[in-house]
Amino acid sequence: EDQVTQSPEALRLQEGESSSLNCSYTVSGLRGLFWYRQDPGKGPEFLFTLYSAGEEKEKERLKATLTKKESFLHITAPKPEDSATYLCAVQAGGATNKLIFGTGTLLAVQP
Amino acid sequence: GAVVSQHPSRVICKSGTSVKIECRSLDFQATTMFWYRQFPKQSLMLMATSNEGSKATYEQGVEKDKFLINHASLTLSTLTVTSAHPEDSSFYICSARDVRDAYGYTFGSGTRLTVV
Repeated sequence: EDQVTQSPEALRLQEGESSSLNCSYTVSGLRGLFWYRQDPGKGPEFLFTLYSAGEEKEKERLKATLTKKESFLHITAPKPEDSATYLCAVQAGGATNKLIFGTGTLLAVQP
Repeated sequence: GAVVSQHPSRVICKSGTSVKIECRSLDFQATTMFWYRQFPKQSLMLMATSNEGSKATYEQGVEKDKFLINHASLTLSTLTVTSAHPEDSSFYICSARDVRDAYGYTFGSGTRLTVV
């Protein structure tokens, strides 16, 4: 069964304190792994798509990496505005285009 | 970038009435759109996949007659919650796949449904 697990469930950081969020997955034929940011009461905002092991992508203070079993979202020198829930999702192989989401990591960055 | 517009953002309805939620892709065509439901502090649960010009595909446990989905054009999908009850109160989110693939799956801003 295709599954996505994110850890930790919640993370509290001081401003400037770098850390990483984890997304472990088991899918039959990964077609893509997606990272989203979600603010309270809003829809998810697209961050990155990763397609193959070894791939890395960066955007401002965020960097996403991918292996055959997991993905990391590295946050360097976070700011309070980075506080949000970060969601990981995978698109499995086969005919379907649907995404399978993890439960998310709630990040709080304190000034 | 790809933009998906979802309306209304909030709706309150009486128990037993029906509510329609619209999802539009503004600057791209989407042959497939997705409808999710999200409970407080939980992740997104896929309800159904909406295909333009054909019947929607519902996930296991989602009532087809309760949640009516119509995808009449390449830019519009609607979700109608029929005979709503308080337990249908939730945050509903749609998404569409941009075939250009540059932005992955784009999500709407969500609809907060409260049934009283």
